[in-house]
Amino acid sequence: DAKTTQPPSMDCAEGRAANLPCNHSTISGNEYVYWYRQIHSQGPQYIIHGLKNNETNEMASLIITEDRKSSTLILPHATLRDTAVYYCIVRVEGDYKLSFGAGTTVTVRA
Amino acid sequence: DAMVIQNPRYQVTQFGKPVTLSCSQTLNHNVMYWYQQKSSQAPKLLFHYYDKDFNNEADTPDNFQSRRPNTSFCFLDIRSPGLGDAAMYLCATSSDEVTGYSYNEQFFGPGTRLTVL
Repeated sequence: DAKTTQPPSMDCAEGRAANLPCNHSTISGNEYVYWYRQIHSQGPQYIIHGLKNNETNEMASLIITEDRKSSTLILPHATLRDTAVYYCIVRVEGDYKLSFGAGTTVTVRA
Repeated sequence: DAMVIQNPRYQVTQFGKPVTLSCSQTLNHNVMYWYQQKSSQAPKLLFHYYDKDFNNEADTPDNFQSRRPNTSFCFLDIRSPGLGDAAMYLCATSSDEVTGYSYNEQFFGPGTRLTVL
C-alpha cells in the first residue's frame, strides 16, 4: 500500500518558487518524511528530510503540517535544472529501505 | 570527490546469457544497495548489504544474485536474463555513522542501463 500520495505532474516557471505537496495521512510517530529527486537518466538524489519541524537546507525547504499528515517541499527559485521526478517517502529512521512511490514529475519552464 | 561509480553505464546482453554489473564507492559506507528501475517506474529495492550481511527483498527473483567482496565493491549478477529484466540498475550506499551526512541518506550512482536482446 502506498504510504504517500503526490500529484503525478506539475509545471512551474523558472525563477519562481515550486511548491510540491505530499499527503501521508497514515504516517506513524517514528516515521520521517524524506524527499529525493531523480533527474532524467541519473540516480536519485537526496534533498531533505524531517520529522515534525520545518527544515531548510541549501536545496530546499520542507514544511510539515502540525498533524504530520501532509508536507510541502519548496524549491525557492526553480531553475531548468530542477526539472526532475520528485519522490516523497515516509520512512522510519534506521530502516534501510527506501520505498519509492510514483513521484511528481516537475517541469520547470523558461 | 567521493562518489558511487557504476560500470558500465550501458550493458547489452543476450537472452539467457549471464551478466554482471559493477558498483564501487569511495565513500567508505558500510551499506550498499541494488535497485531495479524499469522504464517510467520508480526504483525498486532488490537487496542490500549491511557490512557483509546480505539482505534479500522477499519478492526479488532468484535469478538475481549479489556479491560484496570488500567494502568498496558490490556486484549484481543476473544468472539468466530475460526480456523482462531490461531496466536501469541503480547502486546506492549509506552509512550508519553520522559523519556530517544526513543519517541514512542514500547516495546513488548514475545507474547501468541493461538491454536484453
